[in-house]
Amino acid sequence: GAGVSQSPSNKVTEKGKDVELRCDPISGHTALYWYRQSLGQGLEFLIYFQGNSAPDKSGLPSDRFSAERTGGSVSTLTIQRTQQEDSAVYLCASSLAGLAGGSDTQYFGPGTRLTVL
Amino acid sequence: KQEVTQIPAALSVPEGENLVLNCSFTDSAIYNLQWFRQDPGKGLTSLLLIQSSQREQTSGRLNASLDKSSGRSTLYIAASQPGDSATYLCAVIEHNFNKFYFGSGTKLNVKP
Repeated sequence: GAGVSQSPSNKVTEKGKDVELRCDPISGHTALYWYRQSLGQGLEFLIYFQGNSAPDKSGLPSDRFSAERTGGSVSTLTIQRTQQEDSAVYLCASSLAGLAGGSDTQYFGPGTRLTVL
Repeated sequence: KQEVTQIPAALSVPEGENLVLNCSFTDSAIYNLQWFRQDPGKGLTSLLLIQSSQREQTSGRLNASLDKSSGRSTLYIAASQPGDSATYLCAVIEHNFNKFYFGSGTKLNVKP
């Protein structure tokens, strides 16, 4: 497939459990972004990876959230001790050059819908 | 903290009209501004990106302008079509790339 893929597409978990969300960017894209969209709160930026550089994690909502990008490709967003307010659609996007590369189109995955009971 | 506002929240126009969507932001120290489109069931699409040093960007029937000093951007859609119906989001990005701030969007309905 040529697009950004995310897995799982849906995840239902119990409060307090840990979850891992995966994003496979388009091959060759150096930049990867994570966002979440909650009902009533719009779209929220979480973190941005550029190549192999260490990302700035200050956009993550709490220290229960962490993100990794292995080998400059696949990324995993981990939420520990999930809370009900973590329920949202988590979106991943990738782009060829990233934010410093001038006009750069982000391609979005279909998202992972997370429900915390 | 940066605040991004989009006006109007919703807009309904007949097919063929030219229209303008507005985005304003409170802190002019931005790196760039982006416009996105969100279709129900189809996810998000990146439309246009304007660097802070630029005044406008064009793609097909879309033209986005940026006036950083006044904290405003507009998205101009020419000759609107029913397929343009979607929610349009603008986002500003800070210089250190660690924060995007999104507006709440304008929901556009273009009637055939």
